[in-house]
Amino acid sequence: KQEVTQIPAALSVPEGENLVLNCSFTDSAIYNLQWFRQDPGKGLTSLLLIQSSQREQTSGRLNASLDKSSGRSTLYIAASQPGDSATYLCAPAILNAGNMLTFGGGTRLMVKP
Amino acid sequence: NAGVTQTPKFQVLKTGQSMTLQCAQDMNHNSMYWYRQDPGMGLRLIYYSASEGTTDKGEVPNGYNVSRLNKREFSLRLESAAPSQTSVYFCASSLRGAPGNTIYFGEGSWLTVV
Repeated sequence: KQEVTQIPAALSVPEGENLVLNCSFTDSAIYNLQWFRQDPGKGLTSLLLIQSSQREQTSGRLNASLDKSSGRSTLYIAASQPGDSATYLCAPAILNAGNMLTFGGGTRLMVKP
Repeated sequence: NAGVTQTPKFQVLKTGQSMTLQCAQDMNHNSMYWYRQDPGMGLRLIYYSASEGTTDKGEVPNGYNVSRLNKREFSLRLESAAPSQTSVYFCASSLRGAPGNTIYFGEGSWLTVV
């Protein structure tokens, strides 16, 4: 069974810092991996989707990398802003597991002005 | 731009009562999902519907039933609520299966069973 770990569980940084969120997974036979953002009391918003054949994906100040063989993905946030404060979750998908995404527990990010 | 809409937002039930969570999407997506989110357990898939007319069990289906009413709507029913079903429930949809496509979530339904 796929297990997904996100480190750190919580992170507090001053505005303007570049930061890295980590995601590790036990089964490297993944189809793709998604990163999501969840604001308090809200649903999840997909940020980036990396196919298993890709090494990285970029959207604005966000860059996600994927090292399938080592079971790791990182989400890099450049020049962090208070509006980036949220919980970030990663979810690798295994093709033969039906439509199941396995979610990590998330990293709760606080960016202080 | 509604996306995925789920109702109700909040509900308190007594043990043994039944209720249905409603979900509708307006993106013409084929696949729909129900997840629950619990502290320390993350998000877990309850049921999904790969296309209209089909439903399949996810990781934690016990105590739940689903109905894919049409392409737009996917409901989740608790026949006899238990305190262990206290959770936040999310409906989601994707154009096709989640592994290959971006998945869109609703705002969540907070359910407390007392």
